[in-house]
This record gives sequence, structure tokens and C-alpha cells, in this order.
Amino acid sequence: KAGVTQTPRYLIKTRGQQVTLSCSPISGHRSVSWYQQTPGQGLQFLFEYFSETQRNKGNFPGRFSGRQFSNSRSEMNVSTLELGDSALYLCASSPLAGGPTYEQYFGPGTRLTVT
Amino acid sequence: AQSVTQLGSHVSVSEGALVLLRCNYSSSVPPYLFWYVQYPNQGLQLLLKYTSAATLVKGINGFEAEFKKSETSFHLTKPSAHMSDAAEYFCAVSDPSNTGNQFYFGTGTSLTVIP
Repeated sequence: KAGVTQTPRYLIKTRGQQVTLSCSPISGHRSVSWYQQTPGQGLQFLFEYFSETQRNKGNFPGRFSGRQFSNSRSEMNVSTLELGDSALYLCASSPLAGGPTYEQYFGPGTRLTVT
Repeated sequence: AQSVTQLGSHVSVSEGALVLLRCNYSSSVPPYLFWYVQYPNQGLQLLLKYTSAATLVKGINGFEAEFKKSETSFHLTKPSAHMSDAAEYFCAVSDPSNTGNQFYFGTGTSLTVIP
């Protein structure tokens, strides 16, 4: 089975621009979560989608948004980019409806650099 | 509320020596606990998980961890370190009562293996 894929792997944007990142979960996985990883803050939960609905949301400003499509693929969007948004954005998928019993499988991440 | 504390942001061991990475959790309910490993420029890979079954959990690559409720700990060990074990290790906790998949990660421990 193919793993979680994220595109693009690297991205450079200018402050004030917006960006869209894409995540394709493992086939059959319906839950997709997004995390931001920075050296200072570590791994922080952004949001989780299940069946095209946002089920959980972390403590991030409204500039960060996401969506999930009927095929479980997910996108996250960051508007009005700030320098502090530079980070590795990780997507993770889980096999079942929920219940944290099940581990999350992570993609390789998208490295976003804001200049 | 869930949280994880990883003691020691950097740990160095000699090749062949015992690896011990510490993780303490805070949770209002019996948690589920996970250890992930991250190699440079890659996503996170699950090493092992505790989901209220056996307290001693064996994972991949010879790693194991023991859940100790009285100490609120979930330390990761490996009897003999290999050079390939050099990576960043993250402990994570989730709330079984949460219907979604929201993990809380520790700040990570960077493991260096000295030849």
C-alpha cells in the first residue's frame, strides 16, 4: 500500500501570499490530520478531517483552514502568510472512524519557507 | 487536558549501549501513548503504542516501552544502540474519550549514537 503523500515537498512563498498544501491519505483511511512542526514550538495540531467534516481544531488563527474531499484527500490553506508560518507541515491519516486507539501514519511533510 | 514531557532534548549513547528516552504524561483520563521516530527530512514513523492492553509494549527495531501509571511514565528503551538509531524521537498522548484523532506531542529527544 502506498503511504501518505504530500505535495509539494518544498515551497517558498513571500509574506502576504497564500499557499495551498495537499495530502493524499493511505487508501481506505478516512481521517486526515494536519500538524505544524517548528524548532521552537515542536509539533502542534492544526485540525482533523473525517468524512469531509472538520472534527477537531487546534489553537491556530483563522488564516489556517482546510478541507477534505470525498476521496479523503485533504488540502490546507494558509492565507496572508507571515514569516512565523515557516515550518514543516505534516499530514497524517488514520484507518478508522476515530477513537485514538489507532495510530496515525505520517507523510514526509511539506517544507514551507516564507520570505 | 493532555500533555507530554520529554526529559532531555539531546541524548548521546555509545554504539551497543542501552538507550533510554524518557516520557512523562499528564492526563485526566487513562491515555493512549505512542512513540514516533523522525529521520532527517522525513515524516514520523510509529515505533510502538500503548492502548491499555499489556503495560510492556514491544515495537519495531528492537524498541520497547513500559507504561507505569503510578509514575505517569512511558519511557522508551532499547538494549543495544545501533548507528541507525540516530534520529529524533517523539512521545505522544491522545485522549481515548475524544472522538477524533488529536495527538499531543512532546518536544522531542534527539538521539546521537557514538561509534
